[in-house]
Amino acid sequence: AQSVTQPDIHITVSEGASLELRCNYSYGATPYLFWYVQSPGQGLQLLLKYFSGDTLVQGIKGFEAEFKRSQSSFNLRKPSVHWSDAAEYFCAVGAGGGGNKLTFGTGTQLKVEL
Amino acid sequence: AAGVIQSPRHLIKEKRETATLKCYPIPRHDTVYWYQQGPGQDPQFLISFYEKMQSDKGSIPDRFSAQQFSDYHSELNMSSLELGDSALYFCASSLEVLPRTNEQFFGPGTRLTVL
Repeated sequence: AQSVTQPDIHITVSEGASLELRCNYSYGATPYLFWYVQSPGQGLQLLLKYFSGDTLVQGIKGFEAEFKRSQSSFNLRKPSVHWSDAAEYFCAVGAGGGGNKLTFGTGTQLKVEL
Repeated sequence: AAGVIQSPRHLIKEKRETATLKCYPIPRHDTVYWYQQGPGQDPQFLISFYEKMQSDKGSIPDRFSAQQFSDYHSELNMSSLELGDSALYFCASSLEVLPRTNEQFFGPGTRLTVL
């Protein structure tokens, strides 16, 4: 069964500082990996995704993530955090193909100090 | 671009009542997923439909049922509501094409409160 671990429940960074949110997955085959962001009471917005090819993927809002098969990781990074980035971030893994669910991690709550 | 539409956005029900949540996928999307997100929790997969047939099932209580209609919209029916059913219910849609990517587009969610 597929699973996702986000080791950090809460992270606080200063505005302008760099950010890395950790994500480790467990899946038997090549995973389809996603990062979503959720503001309070809002829906899930896709930041970026990895299906195949280049292991460094660029997303919206200046985010990027690197797929490392050897470490089963898909960490999210941003070189300079903005106060508006404060939100909850979910890493998710999908098996690919229609009818296959996404399995989410427990999320990382990001707080940005001004 | 058109997004996934969910209605209602907010719903308040009493215990033991029934509720129906609706989801309208992105035009031409053929697959719909339902997720439940409890307070402070991650979204949990409930059920999915592909071309109007149930394609996968997760931790959906027997009190819940769902279907996808000929126009691809989907409804989640919830009966004998319990306090623990209070959650944000997301619908997502995708298009089953090759190569398969399973990219799902989420709606804004329906917040269900059971009193």
